Amino acid sequence: EVQLVESGGVVVQPGGSLRLSCAVSGFTFGDYTMHWVRQAPGQGLEWVSLISWDGRTTLYAGSVKGRFTISRDNDRNSLYLQLNSLRTEDTALYYCAKEPGPHYIYSAMAVWGQGTTVTVSS
Amino acid sequence: QSALTQPPSASGSPGQSVTISCTGTSSDVGSYKYVSWYQQHPGKAPKLMIYEVSKRPSGVPDRFSGSKSGNTASLTVSGLQAEDEADYYCSSYAGSNNLGVFGGGTKLTVL
Repeated sequence: EVQLVESGGVVVQPGGSLRLSCAVSGFTFGDYTMHWVRQAPGQGLEWVSLISWDGRTTLYAGSVKGRFTISRDNDRNSLYLQLNSLRTEDTALYYCAKEPGPHYIYSAMAVWGQGTTVTVSS
Repeated sequence: QSALTQPPSASGSPGQSVTISCTGTSSDVGSYKYVSWYQQHPGKAPKLMIYEVSKRPSGVPDRFSGSKSGNTASLTVSGLQAEDEADYYCSSYAGSNNLGVFGGGTKLTVL
């Protein structure tokens, strides 16, 4: 069974930093592009970032570019998102998700974790 | 303001069909086959229902179907069931500078 489990969400002050993790199982992690998607309280979905299966391609939404960094460790079956220079508008539930098929840069988000909550507040 | 435009609400009675639209531009929906639809029940993670305009993942009932015409994509739910009541989001690839865009979501109510 494919499973994605996010962790690392906390309450942090504006300007602060934290790192989110996504531990995966049930599939060959090193073959799949992975995404981060967030959802602000009571709001819709916002694509945040993706990283290709081999880590060579990373892409970001304009709202987080230069502040967030996506990475992965294929040996540890783990995905990460480093969040720096946090703003109140970054407050959201952050989901990790996998592509439907191997070696696709972008098609869709086929399987989602349950999310981890980041709250940016003073 | 979301990049893709969806109606905020839609409704239908059990057994009926309902179609949800998703309007983009020639820079996203109109140019790429990477349109997807997600179902989200309250307090739950989104679930992929349709990808690449009209493909259904394994396990998604064939009551759910997708299509696209020009800059507008559509999700049709046939034979509405109570468990179909949820929020539905469309998404599209939008090119390498603005990769993934979502619609604002449509709340589907089964009357």
